[in-house]
Amino acid sequence: GAVVSQHPSWVICKSGTSVKIECRSLDFQATTMFWYRQFPKQSLMLMATSNEGSKATYEQGVEKDKFLINHASLTLSTLTVTSAHPEDSSFYICSARRDFNQPQHFGDGTRLSIL
Amino acid sequence: GIQVEQSPPDLILQEGANSTLRCNFSDSVNNLQWFHQNPWGQLINLFYIPSGTKQNGRLSATTVATERYSLLYISSSQTTDSGVYFCAVVPSGGSNYKLTFGKGTLLTVNP
Repeated sequence: GAVVSQHPSWVICKSGTSVKIECRSLDFQATTMFWYRQFPKQSLMLMATSNEGSKATYEQGVEKDKFLINHASLTLSTLTVTSAHPEDSSFYICSARRDFNQPQHFGDGTRLSIL
Repeated sequence: GIQVEQSPPDLILQEGANSTLRCNFSDSVNNLQWFHQNPWGQLINLFYIPSGTKQNGRLSATTVATERYSLLYISSSQTTDSGVYFCAVVPSGGSNYKLTFGKGTLLTVNP
């Protein structure tokens, strides 16, 4: 159990395009979902925490208008990278948890390349 | 915020060898998880272990919460064990229960 699906797994697009990444908990209801960014050979960096039905909480230094997060239901959160530029190229990973004292389960990640 | 230190940063093994990875954290924690990130980037849950000892096949983990460290043991390593191993913790007393990751241990298992 505790499967998290992330889609798409790979995106290549032109500068200025907006890209939407979906994160779904397939077999459980996730009260909270998280979005991370990972640069090559580095650890995961939390971008934002998303609770169902409320606004996302962004970490310091993360642009809210650049990275739009929507947590429309207990099984779906989306991250939209708006007007993406080459510096937004990275590996984005989502995670989900049932409740505050439960482990986080991660999606397989999305490799975003902006040309 | 809480500091999470993993050691060693890099480890190279021959297939069949055993290894121990360490995770030290600077404050008390509610949760601790070990992950394996494979070469394709997939982050695989190994253990959810805020305290105590757990085993899963060739892998086992021990967390001594009072001394603020956790150990991940890999026995009879295989080439498929290669990748980065991350320790991540949720500090006690926080209101948001966010995971803080260590920098990871890069494990290479040679045939």
